[in-house]
Amino acid sequence: DAKTTQPTSMDCAEGRAANLPCNHSTISGNEYVYWYRQIHSQGPQYIIHGLKNNETNEMASLIITEDRKSSTLILPHATLRDTAVYYCIVRVYNTNAGKSTFGDGTTLTVKP
Amino acid sequence: EAQVTQNPRYLITVTGKKLTVTCSQNMNHEYMSWYRQDPGLGLRQIYYSMNVEVTDKGDVPEGYKVSRKEKRNFPLILESPSPNQTSLYFCASSSPGGGAKTQYFGPGTRLLVL
Repeated sequence: DAKTTQPTSMDCAEGRAANLPCNHSTISGNEYVYWYRQIHSQGPQYIIHGLKNNETNEMASLIITEDRKSSTLILPHATLRDTAVYYCIVRVYNTNAGKSTFGDGTTLTVKP
Repeated sequence: EAQVTQNPRYLITVTGKKLTVTCSQNMNHEYMSWYRQDPGLGLRQIYYSMNVEVTDKGDVPEGYKVSRKEKRNFPLILESPSPNQTSLYFCASSSPGGGAKTQYFGPGTRLLVL
């Protein structure tokens, strides 16, 4: 799996968009970008994933640069409940590979 | 309700006393995995299983055992726990199709080894 780099921490004002960057400059052509988040010490929760097109679901949007070397997770209207650690992971999708690596993620703090 | 369950949620034990943490999923997932998380760090994979009777080591397998006799269950066994295994443990399973793709995590088990 390609290595990812994320900032250690970020702050965001409540109601504003939270933009979380992830660098994955060594990503391969068949690797997807996945985002998870972990609130307090709960089990991580899947948010979204994408290959090269921008993706949106009910939780967030994922913007992937044209060269696929970086991406941004966007929480359009952050709330206090979005305070969590956010993990960016890259993985091959159509694979039976079982190994999975989570980095240290970005701690997002949403402030009133 | 689709879920991954772990038991117990909290466990205090002493060095050397064998213990098992159970994990069960009701989503018919083929892939299951165990992770540990230490304070301020991300998740590190201990073991994973691609299907019944198929298991393999993750990044930190030392001191742990697993088994996969049934599709829904993937217990984590500590034969002789030591204090450095004090940690927060998560079990996860993956959506159909195999592999560590979209993973669904259990609520976690906090283990303290004295």
